[in-house]
Amino acid sequence: DAGVIQSPRHEVTEMGQEVTLRCKPISGHNSLFWYRQTMMRGLELLIYFNNNVPIDDSGMPEDRFSAKMPNASFSTLKIQPSEPRDSAVYFCASSGSADYGYTFGSGTRLTVV
Amino acid sequence: GQQLNQSPQSMFIQEGEDVSMNCTSSSIFNTWLWYKQDPGEGPVLLIALYKAGELTSNGRLTAQFGITRKDSFLNISASIPSDVGIYFCAGRSGTASKLTFGTGTRLQVTL
Repeated sequence: DAGVIQSPRHEVTEMGQEVTLRCKPISGHNSLFWYRQTMMRGLELLIYFNNNVPIDDSGMPEDRFSAKMPNASFSTLKIQPSEPRDSAVYFCASSGSADYGYTFGSGTRLTVV
Repeated sequence: GQQLNQSPQSMFIQEGEDVSMNCTSSSIFNTWLWYKQDPGEGPVLLIALYKAGELTSNGRLTAQFGITRKDSFLNISASIPSDVGIYFCAGRSGTASKLTFGTGTRLQVTL
């Protein structure tokens, strides 16, 4: 299994631009999670999906952030417009119903200048 | 909301030493997990604990699920340079899929 695949690995963008992060979960996993990691706040859960349905988006910082999961093998996290304070590493993770742990992707390091 | 306090925040030890770190919660969890994050990568699951009092080993790593269900510890014996990284505890309550993560313990190993 290739694991959780995230793209791009690195993204540098100018303030005000739209950013789209992508995630392919492990085949067969039915839960998908988006996390943000910063030095100040650690790992923060932004949103998670069960069976492609958003369950809890209370961690999404503001309306500039949106996430979709159109099918079981793909999810996106979009920031529009981006701001410098959005700079962080964004992780996607997936979990199967029989699992108790998550499998994380390698992350997308976002820098907004 | 739930909070996980992890200690210590950072540790600097010599190769060969044993390491101990712990995690405490303000509420009860029914699953405890320990992850390690290498630089530039996502966290990787080390050990999972499913019931109070459980003691589980994975090579040089040993973790325990506290009796009160509000704490857990992780021990690493005979540390080696590749143990360097950030260690996170995580807990799950009820049947929810969501994990709550601790603040992390940054481990540095010197030769």
